[in-house]
Amino acid sequence: LAKTTQPISMDSYEGQEVNITCSHNNIATNDYITWYQQFPSQGPRFIIQGYKTKVTNEVASLFIPADRKSSTLSLPRVSLSDTAVYYCLVGDREAGGSYIPTFGRGTSLIVHP
Amino acid sequence: DAGVTQSPTHLIKTRGQQVTLRCSPKSGHDTVSWYQQALGQGPQFIFQYYEEEERQRGNFPDRFSGHQFPNYSSELNVNALLLGDSALYLCASSLQFAYTSYEQYFGPGTRLTVT
Repeated sequence: LAKTTQPISMDSYEGQEVNITCSHNNIATNDYITWYQQFPSQGPRFIIQGYKTKVTNEVASLFIPADRKSSTLSLPRVSLSDTAVYYCLVGDREAGGSYIPTFGRGTSLIVHP
Repeated sequence: DAGVTQSPTHLIKTRGQQVTLRCSPKSGHDTVSWYQQALGQGPQFIFQYYEEEERQRGNFPDRFSGHQFPNYSSELNVNALLLGDSALYLCASSLQFAYTSYEQYFGPGTRLTVT
């Protein structure tokens, strides 16, 4: 059973705000939500992580409602260079402290001029 | 500050051969994980090494093995290569017990083609 569900693809235009929503109905109490970005033929790049409410860094914001069954990655004023695949992950450290990111198929975002 | 490095960048092998891929983690990181990414798919977890031991393993056969050295660098070995092993192999490093362990740093990957 998939842990996360996100749109397969999205289109936007330069300068717009993009919101990518991820559904994780079976999220566990201790699970954290993380988002990664991946360009073709490169390794994924960590964007942001959160547990509840809102988290913001220099790149993006992550909105998590009280029930934590979904989350929304917000990219302000996207540019062509934001064209990439975005992965939503949920998970917790295994016993012993290790965390294993489990990737789905991600959302392919295409930003148009 | 050097990030995660992997070698080689590209590799072409024949079915049945063996291959070794190498990874150096980000400075200060002690944990290395390996992933396989087929075209159009998300990365799939192979295994993770910490303190020179395999700590976690994904759903991959024993043909996939690894090693971590005292300097935290790591190798991924694949024996008896199959055509289906053609993929981008990614190495990621992290800190085992830090709050930021959810943040993994990925290398650029090694593109393996099996013919």
